[in-house]
Amino acid sequence: GQNIDQPTEMTATEGAIVQINCTYQTSGFNGLFWYQQHAGEAPTFLSYNVLDGLEEKGRFSSFLSRSKGYSYLLLKELQMKDSASYLCAVTGFQKLVFGTGTRLLVSP
Amino acid sequence: DAMVIQNPRYQVTQFGKPVTLSCSQTLNHNVMYWYQQKSSQAPKLLFHYYDKDFNNEADTPDNFQSRRPNTSFCFLDIRSPGLGDAAMYLCATSRERAGQGHEQYFGPGTRLTVT
Repeated sequence: GQNIDQPTEMTATEGAIVQINCTYQTSGFNGLFWYQQHAGEAPTFLSYNVLDGLEEKGRFSSFLSRSKGYSYLLLKELQMKDSASYLCAVTGFQKLVFGTGTRLLVSP
Repeated sequence: DAMVIQNPRYQVTQFGKPVTLSCSQTLNHNVMYWYQQKSSQAPKLLFHYYDKDFNNEADTPDNFQSRRPNTSFCFLDIRSPGLGDAAMYLCATSRERAGQGHEQYFGPGTRLTVT
Protein backbone atom coordinates (compact mmCIF):
# COMPACT_ATOMS: atom_id res chain seq x y z
CA GLY A 1 0.00 0.00 0.00
CA GLN A 2 0.90 3.65 -0.12
CA ASN A 3 0.65 6.32 2.54
CA ILE A 4 1.65 9.95 2.09
CA ASP A 5 1.47 12.45 4.95
CA GLN A 6 1.61 16.22 4.80
CA PRO A 7 0.49 18.90 7.25
CA THR A 8 -3.01 20.08 6.44
CA GLU A 9 -2.39 23.79 6.68
CA MET A 10 0.44 26.26 7.27
CA THR A 11 0.59 30.01 7.58
CA ALA A 12 3.46 32.39 6.91
CA THR A 13 4.07 36.04 6.20
CA GLU A 14 5.18 37.71 3.01
CA GLY A 15 8.95 37.65 2.57
CA ALA A 16 9.46 34.75 4.97
CA ILE A 17 10.71 31.20 4.35
CA VAL A 18 8.48 28.17 4.82
CA GLN A 19 9.22 24.45 4.71
CA ILE A 20 6.48 21.97 3.84
CA ASN A 21 7.25 18.40 4.85
CA CYS A 22 6.09 15.17 3.27
CA THR A 23 6.62 11.64 4.55
CA TYR A 24 5.73 8.59 2.55
CA GLN A 25 5.53 4.84 2.78
CA THR A 26 5.18 3.05 -0.52
CA SER A 27 5.57 -0.47 -1.82
CA GLY A 28 7.34 0.85 -4.89
CA PHE A 29 9.19 4.13 -5.34
CA ASN A 30 10.72 5.80 -8.36
CA GLY A 31 10.64 9.47 -7.48
CA LEU A 32 8.74 12.30 -5.83
CA PHE A 33 6.97 15.29 -7.35
CA TRP A 34 5.78 18.54 -5.85
CA TYR A 35 2.83 20.30 -7.45
CA GLN A 36 1.21 23.64 -6.69
CA GLN A 37 -2.56 23.96 -6.88
CA HIS A 38 -4.44 27.23 -6.55
CA ALA A 39 -8.05 26.98 -5.43
CA GLY A 40 -10.30 25.75 -8.22
CA GLU A 41 -7.40 25.27 -10.63
CA ALA A 42 -5.34 22.36 -11.91
CA PRO A 43 -2.08 21.29 -10.28
CA THR A 44 1.08 22.69 -11.86
CA PHE A 45 4.50 21.06 -11.71
CA LEU A 46 7.11 22.47 -9.33
CA SER A 47 9.84 19.86 -8.92
CA TYR A 48 10.88 16.24 -9.25
CA ASN A 49 13.40 14.40 -7.06
CA VAL A 50 14.67 10.93 -7.81
CA LEU A 51 18.04 11.04 -6.01
CA ASP A 52 18.77 12.05 -2.43
CA GLY A 53 19.61 15.69 -1.92
CA LEU A 54 18.44 19.18 -2.63
CA GLU A 55 17.17 20.47 -5.97
CA GLU A 56 17.03 24.24 -6.24
CA LYS A 57 14.89 26.13 -8.71
CA GLY A 58 14.61 29.85 -8.10
CA ARG A 59 12.68 30.61 -4.93
CA PHE A 60 11.64 26.96 -4.59
CA SER A 61 13.83 24.04 -3.49
CA SER A 62 12.94 20.42 -2.89
CA PHE A 63 14.79 17.85 -0.81
CA LEU A 64 14.54 14.07 -0.79
CA SER A 65 15.82 11.37 1.55
CA ARG A 66 14.87 7.98 0.17
CA SER A 67 16.15 6.06 3.20
CA LYS A 68 13.92 8.11 5.51
CA GLY A 69 10.92 8.31 3.20
CA TYR A 70 11.00 12.07 3.59
CA SER A 71 10.86 15.14 1.41
CA TYR A 72 10.36 18.83 1.90
CA LEU A 73 9.55 21.81 -0.25
CA LEU A 74 11.24 25.05 0.73
CA LEU A 75 9.74 28.33 -0.39
CA LYS A 76 11.83 31.47 0.03
CA GLU A 77 10.89 35.15 -0.18
CA LEU A 78 7.23 34.30 0.07
CA GLN A 79 4.79 36.26 -2.05
CA MET A 80 1.03 36.59 -1.70
CA LYS A 81 0.59 34.61 -4.90
CA ASP A 82 2.24 31.61 -3.20
CA SER A 83 -0.98 31.08 -1.24
CA ALA A 84 -2.05 27.71 -2.61
CA SER A 85 -2.11 24.01 -1.85
CA TYR A 86 1.15 22.11 -2.28
CA LEU A 87 0.79 18.47 -3.21
CA CYS A 88 3.45 15.86 -2.64
CA ALA A 89 3.13 12.95 -5.08
CA VAL A 90 5.06 9.70 -5.24
CA THR A 91 5.66 7.65 -8.37
CA GLY A 92 5.65 3.91 -8.13
CA PHE A 93 4.40 1.05 -10.27
CA GLN A 94 3.81 3.38 -13.19
CA LYS A 95 1.41 5.74 -11.49
CA LEU A 96 1.41 8.89 -9.40
CA VAL A 97 -0.12 8.88 -5.93
CA PHE A 98 -0.87 12.24 -4.37
CA GLY A 99 -0.91 13.31 -0.76
CA THR A 100 -3.88 15.38 0.41
CA GLY A 101 -1.85 18.55 0.11
CA THR A 102 -0.79 21.36 2.42
CA ARG A 103 -2.74 24.58 2.19
CA LEU A 104 -0.36 27.51 2.59
CA LEU A 105 -1.76 30.89 3.58
CA VAL A 106 0.57 33.84 3.06
CA SER A 107 -0.38 37.02 4.89
CA PRO A 108 0.96 40.58 4.42
CA ASP B 1 -1.10 28.18 -25.71
CA ALA B 2 -3.45 25.63 -24.22
CA MET B 3 -1.84 22.21 -24.02
CA VAL B 4 -4.45 20.14 -22.18
CA ILE B 5 -7.99 21.29 -22.79
CA GLN B 6 -11.06 20.15 -20.92
CA ASN B 7 -14.65 20.79 -21.86
CA PRO B 8 -16.85 21.85 -20.38
CA ARG B 9 -15.30 23.66 -17.42
CA TYR B 10 -18.53 23.32 -15.47
CA GLN B 11 -21.10 20.57 -15.95
CA VAL B 12 -24.39 20.12 -14.18
CA THR B 13 -26.22 16.83 -14.57
CA GLN B 14 -29.14 15.14 -12.92
CA PHE B 15 -28.93 12.13 -10.69
CA GLY B 16 -28.74 9.06 -12.92
CA LYS B 17 -28.40 10.98 -16.19
CA PRO B 18 -25.34 9.92 -18.20
CA VAL B 19 -22.69 12.55 -18.72
CA THR B 20 -19.50 12.73 -20.79
CA LEU B 21 -16.49 14.89 -20.05
CA SER B 22 -13.88 15.51 -22.71
CA CYS B 23 -10.18 16.14 -22.77
CA SER B 24 -7.85 16.96 -25.64
CA GLN B 25 -4.12 17.55 -25.81
CA THR B 26 -1.75 19.25 -28.22
CA LEU B 27 1.39 17.72 -26.70
CA ASN B 28 1.25 14.40 -28.55
CA HIS B 29 1.87 12.60 -25.27
CA ASN B 30 1.53 8.85 -25.02
CA VAL B 31 -0.23 8.77 -21.68
CA MET B 32 -3.54 10.32 -20.68
CA TYR B 33 -5.00 10.16 -17.17
CA TRP B 34 -8.32 10.88 -15.50
CA TYR B 35 -8.36 11.94 -11.85
CA GLN B 36 -11.24 12.68 -9.52
CA GLN B 37 -10.65 15.35 -6.89
CA LYS B 38 -13.13 16.16 -4.15
CA SER B 39 -12.90 19.23 -1.98
CA SER B 40 -9.77 19.32 0.21
CA GLN B 41 -8.75 15.86 -0.96
CA ALA B 42 -5.94 14.52 -3.09
CA PRO B 43 -6.53 13.84 -6.78
CA LYS B 44 -7.50 10.18 -7.09
CA LEU B 45 -6.48 8.30 -10.22
CA LEU B 46 -9.44 6.64 -11.96
CA PHE B 47 -7.64 5.18 -15.00
CA HIS B 48 -5.05 5.92 -17.62
CA TYR B 49 -4.26 5.10 -21.21
CA TYR B 50 -0.82 4.33 -22.48
CA ASP B 51 -1.42 4.87 -26.18
CA LYS B 52 -4.46 2.63 -26.72
CA ASP B 53 -3.74 0.39 -23.74
CA PHE B 54 -6.38 1.03 -21.06
CA ASN B 55 -5.42 0.69 -17.38
CA ASN B 56 -8.19 0.76 -14.82
CA GLU B 57 -7.58 1.32 -11.12
CA ALA B 58 -8.87 -1.54 -8.99
CA ASP B 59 -11.15 0.70 -6.93
CA THR B 60 -12.64 2.71 -9.80
CA PRO B 61 -16.40 2.05 -9.86
CA ASP B 62 -17.89 0.41 -12.95
CA ASN B 63 -20.02 3.52 -13.30
CA PHE B 64 -16.95 5.24 -14.77
CA GLN B 65 -15.81 4.39 -18.27
CA SER B 66 -13.29 5.94 -20.61
CA ARG B 67 -12.57 6.10 -24.32
CA ARG B 68 -9.53 7.25 -26.23
CA PRO B 69 -10.40 7.28 -29.93
CA ASN B 70 -7.05 8.80 -30.95
CA THR B 71 -3.87 10.24 -29.44
CA SER B 72 -5.34 13.68 -28.90
CA PHE B 73 -8.69 12.94 -27.29
CA CYS B 74 -9.89 11.11 -24.21
CA PHE B 75 -13.39 10.94 -22.75
CA LEU B 76 -14.75 10.16 -19.32
CA ASP B 77 -18.25 8.68 -19.29
CA ILE B 78 -20.24 8.50 -16.08
CA ARG B 79 -23.11 6.17 -16.81
CA SER B 80 -25.36 6.91 -13.85
CA PRO B 81 -24.04 9.81 -11.79
CA GLY B 82 -24.78 9.78 -8.09
CA LEU B 83 -24.54 12.64 -5.62
CA GLY B 84 -21.21 11.25 -4.48
CA ASP B 85 -19.74 11.73 -7.95
CA ALA B 86 -19.85 15.50 -7.66
CA ALA B 87 -16.22 16.54 -7.88
CA MET B 88 -13.55 18.17 -10.00
CA TYR B 89 -12.41 15.85 -12.79
CA LEU B 90 -8.86 16.44 -13.94
CA CYS B 91 -7.35 15.20 -17.15
CA ALA B 92 -3.57 14.96 -17.36
CA THR B 93 -1.00 13.83 -19.90
CA SER B 94 2.62 12.76 -19.81
CA ARG B 95 5.12 11.72 -22.41
CA GLU B 96 5.76 8.41 -20.69
CA ARG B 97 4.43 6.69 -17.61
CA ALA B 98 4.86 8.20 -14.16
CA GLY B 99 7.45 5.65 -13.08
CA GLN B 100 9.92 7.08 -15.55
CA GLY B 101 9.82 10.49 -13.93
CA HIS B 102 7.87 12.32 -16.59
CA GLU B 103 5.83 15.19 -15.22
CA GLN B 104 2.13 15.24 -15.78
CA TYR B 105 0.49 18.23 -17.42
CA PHE B 106 -2.98 18.92 -16.11
CA GLY B 107 -5.96 20.45 -17.79
CA PRO B 108 -8.03 23.11 -15.99
CA GLY B 109 -10.55 20.50 -14.85
CA THR B 110 -14.29 20.04 -15.18
CA ARG B 111 -16.32 20.70 -12.07
CA LEU B 112 -19.28 18.32 -12.04
CA THR B 113 -22.42 19.06 -10.06
CA VAL B 114 -25.09 16.39 -9.65
CA THR B 115 -28.58 17.57 -8.77
